[in-house]
Amino acid sequence: SQQGEEDPQALSIQEGENATMNCSYKTSINNLQWYRQNSGRGLVHLILIRSNEREKHSGRLRVTLDTSKKSSSLLITASRAADTASYFCATGNTGFQKLVFGTGTRLLVSP
Amino acid sequence: GAGVSQSPSNKVTEKGKDVELRCDPISGHTALYWYRQSLGQGLEFLIYFQGNSAPDKSGLPSDRFSAERTGGSVSTLTIQRTQQEDSAVYLCASSRGGGSTGELFFGEGSRLTVL
Repeated sequence: SQQGEEDPQALSIQEGENATMNCSYKTSINNLQWYRQNSGRGLVHLILIRSNEREKHSGRLRVTLDTSKKSSSLLITASRAADTASYFCATGNTGFQKLVFGTGTRLLVSP
Repeated sequence: GAGVSQSPSNKVTEKGKDVELRCDPISGHTALYWYRQSLGQGLEFLIYFQGNSAPDKSGLPSDRFSAERTGGSVSTLTIQRTQQEDSAVYLCASSRGGGSTGELFFGEGSRLTVL
């Protein structure tokens, strides 16, 4: 079964607006990663946050992690049409090596 | 090339036939993963190879599925006696080490259609 669940399943915004996606997971983790997938293509790594970190930034991306609530959020600021894609969180469980992916959020950014 | 390479990119087969999907990971990456993604769905873990360790096969959905990794590099995912529910995109990824410590680099996937 999948570890993470993203919320919302789909998000539609206008260019320039911020987009926030949430991820919840079930078990203890070593790290949490966010990936992006353009339609019909492979996934691209965006950012990794370790279990002892609470917030991380990369360009227009901001990721937070709350291990007490077993949740993470991905914020994309000043969105662009090119940000249109599906976004997945993935967790590396303590003691395991494999990454388990969530169900994804489909983001549509309209010009 | 510098990225993860998968072949074929598209495969159409008839129910009951066997198929082989190939993954060529990034040179030097010791970890290799196979995932399956059905239309509009998330990624389903299938199998994980790490160096010379025994692979984690816990995600393989049935004994019709098998995978091997020769020489710690190229991997082949084999599906025997394909069924229509096997239709999906099969994604391969590699990483420098265990997935719990680093990012995965994905190939573009092999889209399998079983008629």
